[in-house]
Amino acid sequence: EAQVTQNPRYLITVTGKKLTVTCSQNMNHEYMSWYRQDPGLGLRQIYYSMNVEVTDKGDVPEGYKVSRKEKRNFPLILESPSPNQTSLYFCASSSRERDIQYFGAGTRLSVL
Amino acid sequence: DAKTTQPPSMDCAEGRAANLPCNHSTISGNEYVYWYRQIHSQGPQYIIHGLKNNETNEMASLIITEDRKSSTLILPHATLRDTAVYYCIVRVALGGGNEKLTFGTGTRLTIIP
Repeated sequence: EAQVTQNPRYLITVTGKKLTVTCSQNMNHEYMSWYRQDPGLGLRQIYYSMNVEVTDKGDVPEGYKVSRKEKRNFPLILESPSPNQTSLYFCASSSRERDIQYFGAGTRLSVL
Repeated sequence: DAKTTQPPSMDCAEGRAANLPCNHSTISGNEYVYWYRQIHSQGPQYIIHGLKNNETNEMASLIITEDRKSSTLILPHATLRDTAVYYCIVRVALGGGNEKLTFGTGTRLTIIP
């Protein structure tokens, strides 16, 4: 089954403790992206990647890092999480041929 | 990407057709109309997209007016599982660039038993 898998689904952590949210897709998609969703602000893009070793900032990249060493994986790294990064995070992917984005189930992160 | 306007909320009786309108009066000739939905706090789900012709798939139909300034998403036989926030998005289908989706506030559709 074609899917985008995020882990973990829920995470509670403390300020400053480094964490990684993993994202993996099994559709051989070139494009991957991370969004965060906050009440009243909608979904905002954090980072995106157009292919392996090609990443770029989205609208709200501060405090986040990403890497794209393999086509299927696009982890989101929070080196020193802060409470304002408490949010619902979504990973998405799409192919160059079909301009449809597939989203993961989401990761709900709470930073205390 | 062109701006879209949707009603904030709508109700529809179970089993009836749900018709969700979207205005996009500033749409450009190369911009597509996309519809996604988000059920509760799940990941957004693609429904359908089109350029100027009406489109139909297993989930829904998309009717785009001749001047392309508005469109309607039709769920032919709504079920309780169709309760969600529906987003109308207008964008250029670039392919190979940043394919960021700009989600507005959408329409909260509630299916009534």
